[in-house]
Amino acid sequence: GQSLEQPSEVTAVEGAIVQINCTYQTSGFYGLSWYQQHDGGAPTFLSYNALDGLEETGRFSSFLSRSDSYGYLLLQELQMKDSASYFCAVNRGSTLGRLYFGRGTQLTVWP
Amino acid sequence: DGGITQSPKYLFRKEGQNVTLSCEQNLNHDAMYWYRQDPGQGLRLIYYSQIVNDFQKGDIAEGYSVSREKKESFPLTVTSAQKNPTAFYLCASSPRTSGRARETQYFGPGTRLLVL
Repeated sequence: GQSLEQPSEVTAVEGAIVQINCTYQTSGFYGLSWYQQHDGGAPTFLSYNALDGLEETGRFSSFLSRSDSYGYLLLQELQMKDSASYFCAVNRGSTLGRLYFGRGTQLTVWP
Repeated sequence: DGGITQSPKYLFRKEGQNVTLSCEQNLNHDAMYWYRQDPGQGLRLIYYSQIVNDFQKGDIAEGYSVSREKKESFPLTVTSAQKNPTAFYLCASSPRTSGRARETQYFGPGTRLLVL
């Protein structure tokens, strides 16, 4: 079977740092992606890790440990506009992005 | 501007009726996908296509059908066999290249399907 576990909700205040964890168990693993989705909107790509280590893109960073089947998304200098759902997704395909999504983490940023 | 369009934004289906959701992209991407999202849930893969005239079942293909006659178009039909079709349907595309580019999927604005 396949499973992705991430917290259902996280809250933080503006300017703070928050970490959203993701553990996975899948048949076939080629990388871990992170997507952001605002209420009623389309998901947008944030980050991707194929190898162990940290990837940094502006205020957002993503980490992967393949041996632990674990990754996280780190959001720094939180802003109100960061309030959204964040999904981790496993890429199961070697030549095509067959993504398996987690249930998502609802992040609420308070002023 | 390049992007993905989906129509209609809202769609109502009567019992026993087939409905077709449109997805068009002008990003020149080879790969296209259909996902279903239920409230408070993640996205589940319905069908995907790597290239014109080829498509594969995803994780929840029962009750759905697709076609890929043109590179830019990947319509999804929700058939009467799909007993619980009420959901948010999202279409996506990605480049079919090596490296990180192919790992990024670009999503359309979605279609909300409601059963009357």
